[in-house]
Amino acid sequence: EVQLVQSGAEVKKPGESLKISCKGSGYTFSNYWIAWVRQMPGKGLEWMGIIHPGDSDTIYSPSFQGQVTISADKSISTAYLQWSSLKASDTAMYYCARSYEDTAMVHYWGQGTLVTVSS
Amino acid sequence: DIQMTQSPSTLSASIGDRVTITCRASQSISSWLAWYQQKPGKAPKLLIYKASSLESGAPSRFSGSGSGTEFTLTISSLQPDDLATYYCQQYNSYPLTFGGGTKVEIK
Repeated sequence: EVQLVQSGAEVKKPGESLKISCKGSGYTFSNYWIAWVRQMPGKGLEWMGIIHPGDSDTIYSPSFQGQVTISADKSISTAYLQWSSLKASDTAMYYCARSYEDTAMVHYWGQGTLVTVSS
Repeated sequence: DIQMTQSPSTLSASIGDRVTITCRASQSISSWLAWYQQKPGKAPKLLIYKASSLESGAPSRFSGSGSGTEFTLTISSLQPDDLATYYCQQYNSYPLTFGGGTKVEIK
């Protein structure tokens, strides 16, 4: 069974750094893209970017380029999303998701990580 | 970026009704369109991929159609469990983009 298990909820202050994780199991982690999707409170889904853990090829949405860093460690089947300096507007639920076969389409989703940024 | 526009943003229907949601792309995406269902407080789930292919395990009352720039998601007979927000997403080109969502309410 494919599973994506994300790290727990975080409460941070503006200006702090953060790295959240997404661990895949039940499949060959290196073979499928992992995407990150943001959902701000009461709002819709926003695609942030995608990484191929096999070669670390990464593609960002222009809206998120330079704002976050996506990485992966295939040796431990884990993908990451990180911020160097959080803002209140980063408060959101963040989902990781595995791709479908050899496309970038989102197939399986993690349970989500709630990030709250507040002074 | 390819813009995805869903309509309506909210719809209210009765149990047993046929429900149709529309998604329009700002340029042709062939059939590279997926539909997701997100129930309150839960992660989204894939319902339809490649515009009309039903995801394994998804109820057969869900169907998708369309190609190019116009797509529809149809629920043939609305059930209480279908209370959710539905999103389309194009995966024709980067960045992948979602529609704004359609919230389905039960009358």
